[in-house]
Amino acid sequence: EPEVTQTPSHQVTQMGQEVILRCVPISNHLYFYWYRQILGQKVEFLVSFYNNEISEKSEIFDDQFSVERPDGSNFTLKIRSTKLEDSAMYFCASRGLAGGEQFFGPGTRLTVL
Amino acid sequence: AQSVTQLGSHVSVSEGALVLLRCNYSSSVPPYLFWYVQYPNQGLQLLLKYTSAATLVKGINGFEAEFKKSETSFHLTKPSAHMSDAAEYFCAVRSPGDYKLSFGAGTTVTVRA
Repeated sequence: EPEVTQTPSHQVTQMGQEVILRCVPISNHLYFYWYRQILGQKVEFLVSFYNNEISEKSEIFDDQFSVERPDGSNFTLKIRSTKLEDSAMYFCASRGLAGGEQFFGPGTRLTVL
Repeated sequence: AQSVTQLGSHVSVSEGALVLLRCNYSSSVPPYLFWYVQYPNQGLQLLLKYTSAATLVKGINGFEAEFKKSETSFHLTKPSAHMSDAAEYFCAVRSPGDYKLSFGAGTTVTVRA
């Protein structure tokens, strides 16, 4: 069964460093999403991406964040200069045709020290 | 804006007992409602969804949920808990045509032998 994969499963970084979280969506999907969950809080929407551009972003998704689909398979989330409050679990999701639901990856746990 | 509230961050049940997880929603338009499950070290897996058809929705693994507009609720139930049901469960909502999901805080289920 096709699935969304994410790497790494856990990343530890120093405050101020750049991190790139990677996702491989399901191969025929066209819509891509990032969500995050700070420990003890709700899963929050960050950004949606379609046709090589951002469709929608939340107020969390400021200039420190960017997304990219560098090739036909990967979908990345970059945080340019990490802050302590960026520590969270980051989930990638993808969706196929209009009306289909999102399939989620296992998440990347980001720890900023 | 749409939101969901899950009552109870932690539920403990005996094996064979009823599982009841509560979710109430707030929505300005008729909502689409979802329950996701997350097993340890895995992604969010869709259990079931309500998209304005039948109000009683059956999902995977013996779970079902009933949409009650008068109570703005979408509670998840399973008649007989199994040890494998131990996981975290998330209720989520979105508007038709808007695919970003708003999640509840999650309920962790433990099953006692």
